[in-house]
Amino acid sequence: DAKTTQPPSMDCAEGRAANLPCNHSTISGNEYVYWYRQIHSQGPQYIIHGLKNNETNEMASLIITEDRKSSTLILPHATLRDTAVYYCIVRVGYNFNKFYFGSGTKLNVKP
Amino acid sequence: GAGVSQSPSNKVTEKGKDVELRCDPISGHTALYWYRQRLGQGLEFLIYFQGNSAPDKSGLPSDRFSAERTGESVSTLTIQRTQQEDSAVYLCASSPGGARNEKLFFGSGTQLSVL
Repeated sequence: DAKTTQPPSMDCAEGRAANLPCNHSTISGNEYVYWYRQIHSQGPQYIIHGLKNNETNEMASLIITEDRKSSTLILPHATLRDTAVYYCIVRVGYNFNKFYFGSGTKLNVKP
Repeated sequence: GAGVSQSPSNKVTEKGKDVELRCDPISGHTALYWYRQRLGQGLEFLIYFQGNSAPDKSGLPSDRFSAERTGESVSTLTIQRTQQEDSAVYLCASSPGGARNEKLFFGSGTQLSVL
């Protein structure tokens, strides 16, 4: 099963872009990359997902390298409320029914 | 309608007791997932239900853990003879049909504390 590797923590200044990297070098061709975040004591919240192409929505942008071995989540203008643990996830399993959650990146947005 | 609902939000039990955790998925969602999250760690997959198919139980850590789902609605996760290492947040999620490009919607979880 494809696994992900993320830095344990990152800091970002409020109002600046936050760029969160993720390595998924064992990903296979039909496995999607998802990003979720978890604010303390809440359930994970969906952010964005993609397969090959870059994606953008109202929350963030997802940049996936051409070889699909890594990706970057971009929060264009980080706010204090974006402080959370961010999980990069590859959807695996014989029926793609498993989301493998690693330890995530704790993003600290500072004023 | 409402999101994924889990109850109770908190459960304190004594070692050796049985506990039942409940999950109400979003109406119409055929896929339902249970995860466990120990303090400071990521989520561990436990079990997956999809419609009337046999559930994927490959993540259940021992035979003390079991789960049921009634049709495409409520699911119950049961832990028998609880141990202290079972202390964790148990999260439930649902998705419309289980397709690989669908997002999961999570509940707020049940915090289980085994004394």
